[in-house]
Amino acid sequence: DAKTTQPTSMDCAEGRAANLPCNHSTISGNEYVYWYRQIHSQGPQYIIHGLKNNETNEMASLIITEDRKSSTLILPHATLRDTAVYYCIVRVWSSGGSNYKLTFGKGTLLTVNP
Amino acid sequence: EAGVVQSPRYKIIEKKQPVAFWCNPISGHNTLYWYRQNLGQGPELLIRYENEEAVDDSQLPKDRFSAERLKGVDSTLKIQPAELGDSAVYLCASALTATDTQYFGPGTRLTVL
Repeated sequence: DAKTTQPTSMDCAEGRAANLPCNHSTISGNEYVYWYRQIHSQGPQYIIHGLKNNETNEMASLIITEDRKSSTLILPHATLRDTAVYYCIVRVWSSGGSNYKLTFGKGTLLTVNP
Repeated sequence: EAGVVQSPRYKIIEKKQPVAFWCNPISGHNTLYWYRQNLGQGPELLIRYENEEAVDDSQLPKDRFSAERLKGVDSTLKIQPAELGDSAVYLCASALTATDTQYFGPGTRLTVL
């Protein structure tokens, strides 16, 4: 899997948008970008994933640059409950491959402040 | 829909004792994963099951760790004997198939004294 680079920590004010960046400069054409988050003492929670196009769901938006070398996860209106470690993961989408595991880095600790 | 269920949530044992963790995946999910997460690190895969078959156990320390998924539903991860370095959170995840999104349980926090 391609390696990802994320800032160690970020702060955000409650009610404001949180923009979490991720660099994946060695991503291949068949590799998806996945985002998970992990709230303290809980298991990782799936947020969103994408290949080329921007994606949006009820939790967040994912913006992938045209060259696919970086992406940004956007939480439009951050709340205190969004405080968590956010993991950006690049994963191969291939039925014939063996990379079905998620290779987690250390992620970004997002702290939402009142 | 119920999520991935794990038990116990916490376990404290003395070194050299055996311990077992149980996982019930989301209904209908054929693929099951066990991960280990050390303090301050991201989770790392230990083993992946497709139905009842362990298709990737390359990261499982086989001298003391074992796992099973009888009938292709619930799974048990065992450590015998436990060592101090086994203290970690053990996470179970499941997916419809190997190419689908993985959903994680709450984990079991193991402390070995």
